[in-house]
Formats: sequence, structure tokens, C-alpha cells
Amino acid sequence: DVVMTQTPVSLSVSLGGQTSISCRSSQSLVHSDGNTYLYWYLQKPGQSPQLLIYKVSNRFSGVPDRFSGSGSGTDFTLKISRVEPEDLGVYYCYQGTHYPRTFGGGTKLELK
Amino acid sequence: VQLVESGGGLVQPGKSLKLSCSASGFTFSSYGMHWIRQAPGKGLDWVAYISSSSGTVYADAVKGRFTISRDNAKNTLYLQLNSLKSEDTAIYYCNYGFAYWGQGTLVTVSS
Repeated sequence: DVVMTQTPVSLSVSLGGQTSISCRSSQSLVHSDGNTYLYWYLQKPGQSPQLLIYKVSNRFSGVPDRFSGSGSGTDFTLKISRVEPEDLGVYYCYQGTHYPRTFGGGTKLELK
Repeated sequence: VQLVESGGGLVQPGKSLKLSCSASGFTFSSYGMHWIRQAPGKGLDWVAYISSSSGTVYADAVKGRFTISRDNAKNTLYLQLNSLKSEDTAIYYCNYGFAYWGQGTLVTVSS
């Protein structure tokens, strides 16, 4: 199985600040079709996860440009700039290239 | 797109439960669907997938105990949970197209 290692486990950030989350996979996430199926989700308390980024670097509809994704192969990063209160919650990376699908362990973003 | 799960509840270890996910707002029969779960206070855990042609894939933890199925005429996804264990206690979400999730249904396995 592909192990998704997310760091850090928790982050403390000031409003208006910038931060980043790392996600590393134990195998390349490049699919045989040439796409890299790496996704980023935010789960707010009591809610279902919401998609932020798909296929490494594409913002989903309605996601502000404060969120950006980058990376390739096995190393990926989510950057959040100008942090706002609604950005708080738990962030997960997710690989959709291999079965079984796997998630990172999550990164909790809190206010400093 | 709307996904609405139902069927969760309190069940004893070893018993069975069947979850449903009612889908609307897209052509259900054309797309694969996933079940993903989240134990209380824990992270997300992929459970199973069914393709548009009803091919299936399962996580090792549920293989042989859970069965994913679909009824395209009813736009409904199912998850049959058998031989339930305490570690199956979780909110179960259905998911389509990576972006769309239901609100989840809670399954609690306890005596």
C-alpha cells in the first residue's frame, strides 16, 4: 500500500500569515495515464471534507487563490497564504493513483 | 450534486448493517463511487470503490466482510457491512469524483 506521510501534525499560524504542509508518498503517484492523482482536502469541525486542490496544483471551483499546491512524483506541498479564520481545521492529502487509496494522517491548522 | 447517506446506527459486534447513499445532480450510472470512513477523532480511511460497470475494490481491513453495490435505476450506492467489529465504528461517507461527499452516517459497533 502507498503510505502518505504528512508533516507537520499540527501548525499554529497567525491570521494573515503564511504556512505550508508537506505530503510524501512511499511510491510515485504518477499514473500510467500520465496524471498525478494527488488531492488536498480541508475538514472543518463537524463537516465533511472539502476538496481544495486536485491533481497536485489545480484549485477546485470556488477555492481562493490563497491556496496553492505543488510537487511531483512523491513530494507534494500545500501552501496557504494570508490565512483567514475559515481556513482552520484539519488538512489531508490523498492519493488517487493506486489501490487501495490512501490518505495522509492529517495536519491540524490552529490559530496562534 | 447531492449525496445523502443513511442506514447507520448502533449494532452489536458480529451483526450486519446496510448503508445507502442516494445520489442526485449527476449521471450516477456513468461514474465510479467510493465509501470512505472516519473513526471518532481519527483520520480518513478509504473503504471501497465500485466502478460504473460494477467492478469492485476493497481495503484489506474490510475485504470479505463488506460488499459495495449500486442500483443505477434508483441512483443509489450501498455498503453491506457484515461481521462487524468495534474497529468498524466510524462515520461512513460516500464520495464521487473526489470532490463530492455526503454528510456521512454514523455506525457504532458496541455490545
